[in-house]
Amino acid sequence: NAGVTQTPKFQVLKTGQSMTLQCAQDMNHEYMSWYRQDPGMGLRLIHYSVGAGITDQGEVPNGYNVSRSTTEDFPLRLLSAAPSQTSVYFCASRAIAENYEQYFGPGTRLTVT
Amino acid sequence: GDSVTQMEGPVTLSEEAFLTINCTYTATGYPSLFWYVQYPGEGLQLLLKATKADDKGSNKGFEATYRKETTSFHLEKGSVQVSDSAVYFCALSEMDSSYKLIFGSGTRLLVRP
Repeated sequence: NAGVTQTPKFQVLKTGQSMTLQCAQDMNHEYMSWYRQDPGMGLRLIHYSVGAGITDQGEVPNGYNVSRSTTEDFPLRLLSAAPSQTSVYFCASRAIAENYEQYFGPGTRLTVT
Repeated sequence: GDSVTQMEGPVTLSEEAFLTINCTYTATGYPSLFWYVQYPGEGLQLLLKATKADDKGSNKGFEATYRKETTSFHLEKGSVQVSDSAVYFCALSEMDSSYKLIFGSGTRLLVRP
């Protein structure tokens, strides 16, 4: 199993550009989520999904869109990038039936200039 | 809302020293508690967990006990190694939405030979 994979590893955007961060998992997990990690603030939940076709907002959803058309994939879209979105983004997944362990991807470091 | 507070780092220790990283939480009800570790350039990995009061989680020589009376979940290790150098995150999951994790700000540990 590859676990949770994320692409790209690094990305630089100009203000106003759009892009999609990719996340995929091969563990057939129902639950997937996106977090951003900022210095001194830990990880904050952006969006999450409990299954294909179902998404919901987390703590910091503004400026981001998600969709879940398959169990495996959960892309995160930045509609119009802003410098405040400079961060490291982590995707995570877990099986709803398992006790609690979430599996994290290696992260995408995004810089918006 | 629920929150997690960790001691600020960085924590610098010599090899074989005793480690304590403090973590306290605020939550309604009875959350589950976790410690995650992030090695340089990698995603987060679950280190240990505890799901009810007085439970002790342990893994790789690390331990933490769920103390409801002091709302704490301090991480300890009797003898740290250089390979333990990483960022450690305390986190909780709320009872009514056990998929979501709320993280502390993280504590960087640096172990010197």
